[in-house]
Amino acid sequence: GENVEQHPSTLSVQEGDSAVIKCTYSDSASNYFPWYKQELGKRPQLIIDIRSNVGEKKDQRIAVTLNKTAKHFSLHITETQPEDSAVYFCAATAYNQGGKLIFGQGTELSVKP
Amino acid sequence: DADVTQTPRNRITKTGKRIMLECSQTKGHDRMYWYRQDPGLGLRLIYYSFDVKDINKGEISDGYSVSRQAQAKFSLSLESAIPNQTALYFCATSTGTGELFFGEGSRLTVL
Repeated sequence: GENVEQHPSTLSVQEGDSAVIKCTYSDSASNYFPWYKQELGKRPQLIIDIRSNVGEKKDQRIAVTLNKTAKHFSLHITETQPEDSAVYFCAATAYNQGGKLIFGQGTELSVKP
Repeated sequence: DADVTQTPRNRITKTGKRIMLECSQTKGHDRMYWYRQDPGLGLRLIYYSFDVKDINKGEISDGYSVSRQAQAKFSLSLESAIPNQTALYFCATSTGTGELFFGEGSRLTVL
């Protein structure tokens, strides 16, 4: 089955700096890669996703890149703000898995003012 | 707003007790999931159901059972709770093509 590894487990940046979180996956059949943000005491919520027919996707200050050959995908946050502080999870699945997402271990991002 | 509701939100119980966590949704989604969250381990899939008659084991199903009572209801049971089942449990729904919609979570403590 699918296995997703996420690094780093914690990340501390200064406000305005960029943050990068990386994930690797094992199942070459995986073709959907979402990122979820979980604020303290809240439920995880989708912030951006990418499908395997695309190499990069941007939404304002966040972007995701995918390298299918290397089985890597990354989340990039530019111009970080204190409200970006949260736990971020990557995940992967294949369409034939019916939405059964396998998650990475999570990255706790702290943005210091 | 259509939502995913979990009850109870917090529960403290003792080793050996039977516990049920309930999930109901008004999103009209067929697919429902139970995940467990532990610090440093991320979200791990316990069970999932694609419709009322289809239930599947996830990554960590041992010690758990589920019941899909209706399209909108999916319950997770711990037949005999043990301390290492102390965790935050999330129910989620989806249409199967992308985004998962999570409930607010149920924090379970087993003493």
